[in-house]
Amino acid sequence: AQSVTQLDSQVPVFEEAPVELRCNYSSSVSVYLFWYVQYPNQGLQLLLKYLSGSTLVKGINGFEAEFNKSQTSFHLRKPSVHISDTAEYFCAVTLTGTASKLTFGTGTRLQVTL
Amino acid sequence: DAGITQSPRHKVTETGTPVTLRCHQTENHRYMYWYRQDPGHGLRLIHYSYGVKDTDKGEVSDGYSVSRSKTEDFLLTLESATSSQTSVYFCAIGTSGINEQYFGPGTRLTVT
Repeated sequence: AQSVTQLDSQVPVFEEAPVELRCNYSSSVSVYLFWYVQYPNQGLQLLLKYLSGSTLVKGINGFEAEFNKSQTSFHLRKPSVHISDTAEYFCAVTLTGTASKLTFGTGTRLQVTL
Repeated sequence: DAGITQSPRHKVTETGTPVTLRCHQTENHRYMYWYRQDPGHGLRLIHYSYGVKDTDKGEVSDGYSVSRSKTEDFLLTLESATSSQTSVYFCAIGTSGINEQYFGPGTRLTVT
């Protein structure tokens, strides 16, 4: 079975600074990977996804993530954050080739301050 | 939002009472999911459906049942609510293949 580890439960950062949110997964077979964002009191919104092809994936709101198969990682990055990026971010994994279930990490709270 | 509504959005109930949460979609997606979100646990899958009358258990299914009699509706029932079921419940819909999912706004359930 697949699993996801988000090593940082909270990441504080100043506005306009770069940020990286870490995600590692475990699976013996090929996977699809996702990052979701949850703003306060809202549902989850898809930020970006890796299915195949280029390992650098660009998403909405200036975020990008890089799939690294050898390190089984899918870290999320943004070169310059804004106050409005304050939210909880979830990494998720599912097995390829089937309509199988998503497994989520426990989330990383990104807190952007002035 | 991708045409998903949940009702009610907030509910307070007493221990031992039955509770039903409803998820409604207008996207005609085949797959529907129920998750619960708790601090420190992220989202955990309760049950999911891969078609009308076709459902299966997730990782935290004990104490919950589901039904799907129409493509657009997926009901989650707590047969006898307990305080450990106090949580925020999210419904999601998805397509086959890549399993990209779209989430509803959530229902905050408090069991006293």
